[in-house]
Amino acid sequence: GNSVTQMEGPVTLSEEAFLTINCTYTATGYPSLFWYVQYPGEGLQLLLKATKADDKGSNKGFEATYRKETTSFHLEKGSVQVSDSAVYFCALNPGNQGGKLIFGQGTELSVKP
Amino acid sequence: NAGVTQTPKFQVLKTGQSMTLQCAQDMNHNSMYWYRQDPGMGLRLIYYSASEGTTDKGEVPNGYNVSRLNKREFSLRLESAAPSQTSVYFCASQGSTDTQYFGPGTRLTVL
Repeated sequence: GNSVTQMEGPVTLSEEAFLTINCTYTATGYPSLFWYVQYPGEGLQLLLKATKADDKGSNKGFEATYRKETTSFHLEKGSVQVSDSAVYFCALNPGNQGGKLIFGQGTELSVKP
Repeated sequence: NAGVTQTPKFQVLKTGQSMTLQCAQDMNHNSMYWYRQDPGMGLRLIYYSASEGTTDKGEVPNGYNVSRLNKREFSLRLESAAPSQTSVYFCASQGSTDTQYFGPGTRLTVL
């Protein structure tokens, strides 16, 4: 079946530190991969996505590369800010299933000044 | 452009009460979804509607019903609320791309 596993949180970093949040997936076929971000008290927003192997998604300084050989889609940012504090969700769309998304459990990031 | 709106934002129910969560989108999207978010479990799909007039069960449909009233609106009904349904509920919509757009959520507590 299809599933997504993220590293557990919470993750606490100092401002300007390097961020990695690990995400691995299990899927049949050729899924699309996503990172969504949820700021406190809000709904989820798309952060970035990749639709095929070796694609790199990027937005707001965040990057993630679709690695089929390791079934991974790790999120990285070179220098985090306090405003990046949020919960980050990795998700996959397995395709041909009505657009359904399968989410990881979420990783809470807290950035301290 | 409002995007996806949900009402109410907060609700407290007693066990056995019923209620309907409302969702509307103004992006002319065909597909709409209801998720619940619980600590440590990410978001789980309750029901979805691939197009007006169709609905399908997701991962956790028990205890819920849905209605796709028209292209804009997709409601979620709890007929007899249980404490296990205490959660945050999100509605989402999707158009021709594979990106889903989420509403702000409804925080439901069942006592």
